Amino acid sequence: GQSLEQPSEVTAVEGAIVQINCTYQTSGFYGLSWYQQHDGGAPTFLSYNALDGLEETGRFSSFLSRSDSYGYLLLQELQMKDSASYFCAVLLSYGQNFVFGPGTRLSVLP
Amino acid sequence: DGGITQSPKYLFRKEGQNVTLSCEQNLNHDAMYWYRQDPGQGLRLIYYSQIVNDFQKGDIAEGYSVSREKKESFPLTVTSAQKNPTAFYLCASSLQNSNTEAFFGQGTRLTVV
Repeated sequence: GQSLEQPSEVTAVEGAIVQINCTYQTSGFYGLSWYQQHDGGAPTFLSYNALDGLEETGRFSSFLSRSDSYGYLLLQELQMKDSASYFCAVLLSYGQNFVFGPGTRLSVLP
Repeated sequence: DGGITQSPKYLFRKEGQNVTLSCEQNLNHDAMYWYRQDPGQGLRLIYYSQIVNDFQKGDIAEGYSVSREKKESFPLTVTSAQKNPTAFYLCASSLQNSNTEAFFGQGTRLTVV
């Protein structure tokens, strides 16, 4: 079976830094992605890690440790518009499908 | 503009009826996926297709059916056998040879009345 775990909710204030963790146990692993979803909307792609280490894209960074089956999304200089749900997703193998985590609801307070 | 289009945005179904959700993409993607999302939950895979005329069951395929007769289209039928069909349905697509990123449609919210 496939299992991904994330915290259900995180709250932070504008301008702060927040880290959303994801641990996974899957039958295969090719890479870890992160998606953002605003209420009622479509998930949008944020980042992808296939190798260990940190990937930086503007205010967002994503980290992967394959040996620990663990990754995180780091959001810096939080803005109100960052309030959304964030999902990690494992690409099981090349040419196969994605398995999504349960999602973390981020609330950014003024 | 390239993208992935789902229709309708809202759909109401009577119990015992089949209903088909449309998903069309003009991104020239080989792979297409259907996910179901319940309130406050993650995305669960219903079916996926890596190539025309071929598709695979996901984790919750019971009560659903799909077809992939054209590369651009991947319709999902919710049958009367699906006991709890009220949910938000998301279609996605990705490149076969570089499918690290999935592109999602805006979703269809299905309600059984």
